[in-house]
Amino acid sequence: DQQVKQNSPSLSVQEGRISILNCDYTNSMFDYFLWYKKYPAEGPTFLISISSIKDKNEDGRFTVFLNKSAKHLSLHIVPSQPGDSAVYFCAASVDYKLSFGAGTTVTVRA
Amino acid sequence: NAGVTQTPKFQVLKTGQSMTLQCAQDMNHEYMSWYRQDPGMGLRLIHYSVGAGITDQGEVPNGYNVSRSTTEDFPLRLLSAAPSQTSVYFCASRVGLRELFFGEGSRLTVL
Repeated sequence: DQQVKQNSPSLSVQEGRISILNCDYTNSMFDYFLWYKKYPAEGPTFLISISSIKDKNEDGRFTVFLNKSAKHLSLHIVPSQPGDSAVYFCAASVDYKLSFGAGTTVTVRA
Repeated sequence: NAGVTQTPKFQVLKTGQSMTLQCAQDMNHEYMSWYRQDPGMGLRLIHYSVGAGITDQGEVPNGYNVSRSTTEDFPLRLLSAAPSQTSVYFCASRVGLRELFFGEGSRLTVL
């Protein structure tokens, strides 16, 4: 039973536009949320995170929003660039366990 | 910086064979973990360790063993390989509850 769900397997966006990736979770005990980016044949790399006591965290072109009442978080990438084409994983943490979603493949079109 | 190093990068096994995936980190991280990545399933936690001598099970531990004799190393053992264990395996480490640092992955095929 997946506790972290990314319901959109893929997203295609034009270069320069906004990419919005969504993630839902079921475990209300999760207290830390992260986004990872993965290129083919490489390990995932950390992108941005947010604590459960916040509702927004921004880092350059990347912003993560957390809606605890809806158990929903999203990642906004503005503006999208060709190098952003990758698989993005949402993850949520409680204690020492980090649970991941299935991933969303983002393709940025020129 | 080496970070998290996994070996081998590729391995083909026959059903019933055993093998060990090696993982080493040079960041002095107390926490280490193993994940497997399968299409449509994301990354699933196999085993993790919060320090030398301490290990615990994740979501999908069956068929795998781990040990943690040093801070640096966290090997994953497949006792009797099955085709269902065909996957890409990632080792990761972190300090405290912060973000994980992943290795480059080990692609395992069981025939």
